[in-house]
Amino acid sequence: GQNIDQPTEMTATEGAIVQINCTYQTSGFNGLFWYQQHAGEAPTFLSYNVLDGLEEKGRFSSFLSRSKGYSYLLLKELQMKDSASYLCAVSDSNYQLIWGAGTKLIIKP
Amino acid sequence: GAVVSQHPSWVICKSGTSVKIECRSLDFQATTMFWYRQFPKQSLMLMATSNEGSKATYEQGVEKDKFLINHASLTLSTLTVTSAHPEDSSFYICSAGQEEYSPLHFGNGTRLTVT
Repeated sequence: GQNIDQPTEMTATEGAIVQINCTYQTSGFNGLFWYQQHAGEAPTFLSYNVLDGLEEKGRFSSFLSRSKGYSYLLLKELQMKDSASYLCAVSDSNYQLIWGAGTKLIIKP
Repeated sequence: GAVVSQHPSWVICKSGTSVKIECRSLDFQATTMFWYRQFPKQSLMLMATSNEGSKATYEQGVEKDKFLINHASLTLSTLTVTSAHPEDSSFYICSAGQEEYSPLHFGNGTRLTVT
């Protein structure tokens, strides 16, 4: 079956760095997405990786290793507003998105 | 940038009535739109894939006669919750992508409360 795994919850300190991991097993691969979702709101797009390596976008970076079925989202210089759920999603061979359960990130002052 | 508009933002209805939720892609055409349901503290659950001009594809466990989906044009998909019950109370979100491999753009969601 298809499966996306990511930690349920993580806690980090304001100003620090946090890495949220995502491992996947899917039927085919057409890219991996990271979304941020604040409580009660719709998800917003953060990043898309289809090739191996690191994609940097401001304070956020996303890494992909297709051979390992692994990705991470790296958040630097954490701010209180970064407290949210972070969803990992993989596009399979039919371009259907398979969603992880999300990682709730708690930022403490 | 691409925008998806969802209406209404919230709705309260009585048990047994039907509610229609609209999802529009404002500045791009979407042959495919997706409908999700999200219960508190849980991730998105795909309900169905809405295909313009053809029948929607429903996920296992989702009643197609209860959750009616119509994708009549390239910019509009509607989800109708028929004979709503309190257990249907949830956050419903639609999304669309400009191309198969492009990021999805989400509507703001509709919070449905059935009393």
